[in-house]
Amino acid sequence: AQKVTQAQTEISVVEKEDVTLDCVYETRDTTYYLFWYKQPPSGELVFLIRRNSFDEQNEISGRYSWNFQKSTSSFNFTITASQVVDSAVYFCALSEYNNNDMRFGAGTRLTVKP
Amino acid sequence: DAGVTQSPTHLIKTRGQQVTLRCSPKSGHDTVSWYQQALGQGPQFIFQYYEEEERQRGNFPDRFSGHQFPNYSSELNVNALLLGDSALYLCASSLSYGELFFGEGSRLTVL
Repeated sequence: AQKVTQAQTEISVVEKEDVTLDCVYETRDTTYYLFWYKQPPSGELVFLIRRNSFDEQNEISGRYSWNFQKSTSSFNFTITASQVVDSAVYFCALSEYNNNDMRFGAGTRLTVKP
Repeated sequence: DAGVTQSPTHLIKTRGQQVTLRCSPKSGHDTVSWYQQALGQGPQFIFQYYEEEERQRGNFPDRFSGHQFPNYSSELNVNALLLGDSALYLCASSLSYGELFFGEGSRLTVL
């Protein structure tokens, strides 16, 4: 069965600090996809990134970076030089191949203080 | 290009009533998925519709049903509402197995 664990319920940082959000997943499939979504107070889930299980290359997009390690079943998300606008709930999610049931973690609430 | 739109944004019902939530997918998308997000939790998959058929269903009772129309829009119906059905209901659209694009959700309160 597929499962996503986000152990950090809430994180609070001061603006310009770096912050890493942890995500650990479980799946028996060899082909799967991992995602990160951001949920601002408006409620909409905003897509940030998708990685497939065969691509362990880390990715950087502006202040955002992602570290995918199959050996530890982790897909961690780092925000560099955090800003107040980064405050939101962040969800990690897993989707197995040919399975439309995308499993989400419980989310990590990030608060960035000025 | 309009994204995923959902209606109503907020609604209040009483136990035992029925509710219908609506979703218009992002332009060009043919697949609609519905998720339930209880307060403080991650979204949970209810079901997915493709070509007007329910393609896959999550672990939700038969009180939860849906429909997809020829224009790809979709409805989620919940019968015999329970207090525990209070949640944010999110609709997501995609191109078959592509990335999900979410709407802002319909917040349902059951009293």
